[in-house]
Amino acid sequence: NAGVTQTPKFQVLKTGQSMTLQCAQDMNHEYMSWYRQDPGMGLRLIHYSVGAGITDQGEVPNGYNVSRSTTEDFPLRLLSAAPSQTSVYFCASSYTAGYTEAFFGQGTRLTVV
Amino acid sequence: AQSVTQLGSHVSVSEGALVLLRCNYSSSVPPYLFWYVQYPNQGLQLLLKYTSAATLVKGINGFEAEFKKSETSFHLTKPSAHMSDAAEYFCAVSKGGNKLVFGAGTILRVKS
Repeated sequence: NAGVTQTPKFQVLKTGQSMTLQCAQDMNHEYMSWYRQDPGMGLRLIHYSVGAGITDQGEVPNGYNVSRSTTEDFPLRLLSAAPSQTSVYFCASSYTAGYTEAFFGQGTRLTVV
Repeated sequence: AQSVTQLGSHVSVSEGALVLLRCNYSSSVPPYLFWYVQYPNQGLQLLLKYTSAATLVKGINGFEAEFKKSETSFHLTKPSAHMSDAAEYFCAVSKGGNKLVFGAGTILRVKS
């Protein structure tokens, strides 16, 4: 069982470039979300989705776009990368029913130079 | 609004000693609380969760946490530390679904 799969694992971007971080889950979870992890700040919610076609902003959405065309996939797009977006990005998924466990991917380490 | 404060960004214990990682929460509604562990270069793994069924929650790898409403705390403990427990630990409160608000994390170092 693959769980939550993120690609790529590492990425270096130049300022102004765009890219998409991929996230896929095979557990048929309705809820998916993206977090960024920065030293001393824990993880902060960027965007989340409660089902295909439904997305909403989290705590730090600026500079990021998401879409959810299928239950399985939830890509995160960086429109014009900035050094402040250097971070480790985690995708998570969970069942829709109540306050259940979130399953996390292995993360994508992004450096913007 | 929900928030979480973890006291101590770094905790160091000797192998075999008690592990105590502190977490205080702020929530306007009955909270759903979680402890996650992150090993180097890996994602987060659930240790345990509090969902109001019992105030003392047992998790994996010998960890447990006690929910104390009067103290707004959810501290994580383990009676005897093992070298393999060295990792970063995050306390989190749920805003519903998988919208989690995380603390800043505590790095646990275990000395031999």
